[in-house]
Amino acid sequence: EVQLVESGGGLVQPGGSLRLSCAASRFTFSAYSMTWVRQAPGKGLEWVSYISSSSTTKYYADSVKGRFTVSRDNANNSLYLQMNSLRAEDTAVYYCGRDSGTAGIDWGQGILVTVSS
Amino acid sequence: EIQMTQSPSSVSASVGDRVTITCRASQGISSWLVWYQQKPGKAPKLLISGASSLQSGVPSRFSGSGSGTDFTLTISSLQPEDFATYYCQQAHSFPRTFGQGTRVEIK
Repeated sequence: EVQLVESGGGLVQPGGSLRLSCAASRFTFSAYSMTWVRQAPGKGLEWVSYISSSSTTKYYADSVKGRFTVSRDNANNSLYLQMNSLRAEDTAVYYCGRDSGTAGIDWGQGILVTVSS
Repeated sequence: EIQMTQSPSSVSASVGDRVTITCRASQGISSWLVWYQQKPGKAPKLLISGASSLQSGVPSRFSGSGSGTDFTLTISSLQPEDFATYYCQQAHSFPRTFGQGTRVEIK
């Protein structure tokens, strides 16, 4: 069974930065695209970013474009999300996921990011 | 951007009831449609991919249908563990988009 474990969340002030990590195991990480999805408190799911298996293709939601950067380290089975210029509206649980296109997303357990002064 | 619209936003039902949730895409997405179940405080769980393919371990009372723009998730006989929020998601193009969710509540 796919295992994805997020880390790096916490409380950060508006305008600050945070780097989320996702440790992947129990599958061949380098063969899969990965994605980040977030969920604000009491709200629905919002797709954030996508990165292809070899990092050649990256996509971002308009709401984070220019502020967030997705990356991966296939040698260490790790996915990252660098979040800069954070705003209150970025407060959410962030999930990393293995993105298999029409076969769907396999999810981590999520990590809370709170942007507040 | 493809908009995904779910209906209803919530439904109250009893154990044993048949529940149907619909998801409409703003443009054709073939069968690039996925359904997830989410319980409070938990990550979403993949239920159905490719519009109609049940994931391993998901009970057969769940089924999905549709193609193009109109899709349906059906729970044939609602069980206590099925009370949750259900989301559709299009995997046809970027940005990936989700429906707003349908909350299935106990009547």
